[in-house]
Amino acid sequence: QLQLQESGSGLVKPSQTLSLTCNVSGGSISSGGYSWIWIRQPPGKGLEWIGYLYDSGRTYYNPSLKSPVTISIDRSNNQFSLNVTSVTAADTAVYYCARQGAVAGTFLYWGQGILVTVSS
Amino acid sequence: EIVMTQSPATLSVSPGERATLSCRASQSVTRNVAWYQHKPGQAPRLLIYNGSTRATGIPARFSGSGSGTEFTLTISSLQSEDFAVYYCQQYLRWLSFGGGTQVEIK
Repeated sequence: QLQLQESGSGLVKPSQTLSLTCNVSGGSISSGGYSWIWIRQPPGKGLEWIGYLYDSGRTYYNPSLKSPVTISIDRSNNQFSLNVTSVTAADTAVYYCARQGAVAGTFLYWGQGILVTVSS
Repeated sequence: EIVMTQSPATLSVSPGERATLSCRASQSVTRNVAWYQHKPGQAPRLLIYNGSTRATGIPARFSGSGSGTEFTLTISSLQSEDFAVYYCQQYLRWLSFGGGTQVEIK
């Protein structure tokens, strides 16, 4: 069974960089041609997609996001990462990583989520 | 950007009753809609994709319907474990989620 687990700093100061990693176990991040995504949920709000990539390394980002975002893949460690630079309080959220299901654009496997708070 | 609007925001239902959740897209998304169940402290769970196809392991009491701009998720007989927030999501053009419907115990 594929499992995903987010890790990273739970507290980030404003204007600094938020960095998270999604470790994948039970399957290879490099096989199958699936997409891997970061999604977040600010407190009291709904889900918002941040960006996703394919195992080829091609990335797609939500054009509505205000903070600059980078998603990258690390095939040797079977993980992918998220960097959000120049964060503000609006970037406070639970961050989830997930993998595509049978149909591109849907997400079947999810991590448990990690709360990241932006505060000085 | 395609905007997904869910209604109602909160739905109060008694166990054993039927729940009907609605989702409207700001433009046609054909049948490219998924539904997720989300409980506090847990990962979202994919229920339905392609508008009406149940994901693996999802009970038959969950059903999806609709096409174009109007979609419905029906839970035929609510069980205690079904009380949660439900999100619709389109994946025709980029991705976007609805604001969610909280299904609570009446």
